Amino acid sequence: GQQLNQSPQSMFIQEGEDVSMNCTSSSIFNTWLWYKQDPGEGPVLLIALYKAGELTSNGRLTAQFGITRKDSFLNISASIPSDVGIYFCAGQSPIQGAQKLVFGQGTRLTINP
Amino acid sequence: EAQVTQNPRYLITVTGKKLTVTCSQNMNHEYMSWYRQDPGLGLRQIYYSMNVEVTDKGDVPEGYKVSRKEKRNFPLILESPSPNQTSLYFCASSQYRRDRVYGYTFGSGTRLTVV
Repeated sequence: GQQLNQSPQSMFIQEGEDVSMNCTSSSIFNTWLWYKQDPGEGPVLLIALYKAGELTSNGRLTAQFGITRKDSFLNISASIPSDVGIYFCAGQSPIQGAQKLVFGQGTRLTINP
Repeated sequence: EAQVTQNPRYLITVTGKKLTVTCSQNMNHEYMSWYRQDPGLGLRQIYYSMNVEVTDKGDVPEGYKVSRKEKRNFPLILESPSPNQTSLYFCASSQYRRDRVYGYTFGSGTRLTVV
């Protein structure tokens, strides 16, 4: 199935640094979702975006729905050790509908104390 | 607490022995789906259900069956498991309104090993 292009694939940062990651698609989406997954656990929904240009925050996390509707960004400010994990984006196409979310391959975040 | 519950969390079985992984949600969600997650391949959809008695194939349905007799339950059935079905499985559920998903929630996963 279709995949989103998520980058970077991995990040190695120092505690306290800010983090940015993004997802891009060749087609437009009407919904973007951002998840965090810990090893062996299920993805946990962080932020949901439903309108182009929308900017939404959840604590130190901020995500934006790109104006072109083909991309989305996730920023984490002042990273802490518990931010370690894999972050996934997911998008819903207005053509394929609710039955098929498209997932990015994930960004693995590692934090050096 | 709103959640998607999968059982079992871990399962080791032998080739050919039928098994069922249960999934239950307490959020009255219309939409439910099963995924498998494998290293390097990401999340791949197996089957999904838009409502009771409505199910359809995802991207990798071969070797799996599902049923949706009640809104809250969506079991995944492996009639004759094979080693290539060794994977981490996730159930998910969501509201579905005006052709969009809301509150797309995953279960904690089932680690299946077929020997």
